[in-house]
Amino acid sequence: QSALTQPPSASGSPGQSVTISCTGTSSDVGGYNYVSWYQQHPGKAPKLMIYEVTKRPSGVPDRFSGSKSGNTASLTVSGLQVEDEADYYCSSYAGNKQVFGGGTKLTVL
Amino acid sequence: EVQLVESGGGLVQPGGSLRLSCAASGFTVSSNYMSWVRQAPGKGLEWVSIIYSGGGAYYADSVKGRFTISRDNSKNTLYLQVNSLKTEDTAVYYCARGYGSGWAWNPWGQGTLVTVSS
Repeated sequence: QSALTQPPSASGSPGQSVTISCTGTSSDVGGYNYVSWYQQHPGKAPKLMIYEVTKRPSGVPDRFSGSKSGNTASLTVSGLQVEDEADYYCSSYAGNKQVFGGGTKLTVL
Repeated sequence: EVQLVESGGGLVQPGGSLRLSCAASGFTVSSNYMSWVRQAPGKGLEWVSIIYSGGGAYYADSVKGRFTISRDNSKNTLYLQVNSLKTEDTAVYYCARGYGSGWAWNPWGQGTLVTVSS
């Protein structure tokens, strides 16, 4: 059982928006502004999409955005594209350790 | 270009050991914080260990006392010594560079597969 809770699946049509949630506790998500999101295509290494809750690394489209409220963080993908279909994982610093969510499979219909 | 290349994985019997390597290019390992993250077949990501530029290190409870993270500054390479392996340690092991100040990882290597089986 993962420390952070994500929905196992999410879906949307091209052009639509989808939001993936990531629920933790006050010891991880709620306690620090150190939530990250990763995209992983099948057979590939994860790719950082969002760090420190809301920041995007250079090269990540601004269609990807992050937010947090209390113990729940969220990743929103706007203007869905076919290439966004992948697994998405959240993670949070938790005091000299890190916890990940179980992952959400995003399907672009 | 910043790049990480892992090696050293393989098939090992329970109780065995391996040393995983992560060769870096395009940046200096010793000036960054670095991590190992693993992914069991068909499963999610699990953080394993971190080493700070100052040398301090932390481990997941599941590997504490069995795994040791280190680096060779002359070779610009990160290592993970994995001992007393268990079947549940079977996974692809990724190394990654710290990004920002909050334990985000970017980029990641391609991973090396460790299979623990008799």
